Amino acid sequence: DTAVSQTPKYLVTQMGNDKSIKCEQNLGHDTMYWYKQDSKKFLKIMFSYNNKELIINETVPNRFSPKSPDKAHLNLHINSLELGDSAVYFCASSWGLAYYTDTQYFGPGTRLTVL
Amino acid sequence: GENVEQHPSTLSVQEGDSAVIKCTYSDSASNYFPWYKQELGKRPQLIIDIRSNVGEKKDQRIAVTLNKTAKHFSLHITETQPEDSAVYFCAASIGGGADGLTFGKGTHLIIQP
Repeated sequence: DTAVSQTPKYLVTQMGNDKSIKCEQNLGHDTMYWYKQDSKKFLKIMFSYNNKELIINETVPNRFSPKSPDKAHLNLHINSLELGDSAVYFCASSWGLAYYTDTQYFGPGTRLTVL
Repeated sequence: GENVEQHPSTLSVQEGDSAVIKCTYSDSASNYFPWYKQELGKRPQLIIDIRSNVGEKKDQRIAVTLNKTAKHFSLHITETQPEDSAVYFCAASIGGGADGLTFGKGTHLIIQP
């Protein structure tokens, strides 16, 4: 029954490794997002996808590559992990592209720790 | 791009008193302003939102006001309870598109018994 789900919940890995985080929503939304919450709790948009197409790509290193196989899924792949990538990554979804339907619902988050 | 400033960073109030958190935004094109509550280790949860065609919105003990001219909006919580303790984030977006939210830096609200 979970509306927006993410796996894994925790991810601990070594510097230099490649890892992926998966996100799925069962709300029928057209738009999905990735946010990063750093150690000071600051939430920042990374990417947004609408119907599998990239809409927003904020100034994120190209080591981060989102992939949307269908509009219910948005995965985040990170290459060559660095210490500064340690954060909580939240997926979110919304109807998007229509006024009055842009409320965003967040997933439970994935805590990434890079050692 | 949009910039959202949020104050205060920490707010401590006695149980039963009111709490007010204020935000300002920079982009006059922004027209959607949600507020999220985040408890420790949990996801941000929407508690109330307001759009630029409305000046005030209320939902039980929570209200939000918006002053488009001054580009600021505020969250008001009345009759605070211990379960209101959390970090509160304001955000802004242009809305109507696949826009990401630009968040303020958060306010840690502490309800003293």
